[in-house]
Amino acid sequence: GNSVTQMEGPVTLSEEAFLTINCTYTATGYPSLFWYVQYPGEGLQLLLKATKADDKGSNKGFEATYRKETTSFHLEKGSVQVSDSAVYFCALSDPQTSYDKVIFGPGTSLSVIP
Amino acid sequence: GAVVSQHPSRVICKSGTSVKIECRSLDFQATTMFWYRQFPKQSLMLMATSNEGSKATYEQGVEKDKFLINHASLTLSTLTVTSAHPEDSSFYICSATPGGKAQFFGPGTRLTVL
Repeated sequence: GNSVTQMEGPVTLSEEAFLTINCTYTATGYPSLFWYVQYPGEGLQLLLKATKADDKGSNKGFEATYRKETTSFHLEKGSVQVSDSAVYFCALSDPQTSYDKVIFGPGTSLSVIP
Repeated sequence: GAVVSQHPSRVICKSGTSVKIECRSLDFQATTMFWYRQFPKQSLMLMATSNEGSKATYEQGVEKDKFLINHASLTLSTLTVTSAHPEDSSFYICSATPGGKAQFFGPGTRLTVL
């Protein structure tokens, strides 16, 4: 079945450090890939997405490239800020399902310290 | 655009009572709505998928008689936790889609059962 694996957290970085959160997936078809962010006490917000191989999603300085050959969708940001502290979820949706179900990874907690 | 609201944001109830949580798509018609449950420091687990005017499809292991879902219109779905117990305490998040790949998430409802 479809699944998503993420690097375990928590991740603690100093402000302006480089961020990488690894994500790999298993899927039977050609899924769309997403990164969602959840700030403390809030719901999820879509951060970025990519719908086909070699697509790069980007938003708010975050980037992730859909790598079909390595089944990966790693999240990167060149210089993190304290306001980036949140939990990040990698996710996929399989277009072969009729309801566009989203399968989430376990989440990676990021803390950025000044 | 694409705003999803949930009400209430927080609810505390006594064991044995029922609690209703509303999920509304404010500026689009949602052909499908999803209900997720999130335990502390864990990922989102899909509970059920609901389509307007038809019965919800529950994920394996989710008790349909305990978690009643009604998708009464294209903008409203409700989740009722019947005879709630402390183990039902969790963060419940809904999402809605107008069709296609995009899902829009509500801010979540924190349920605490005493």
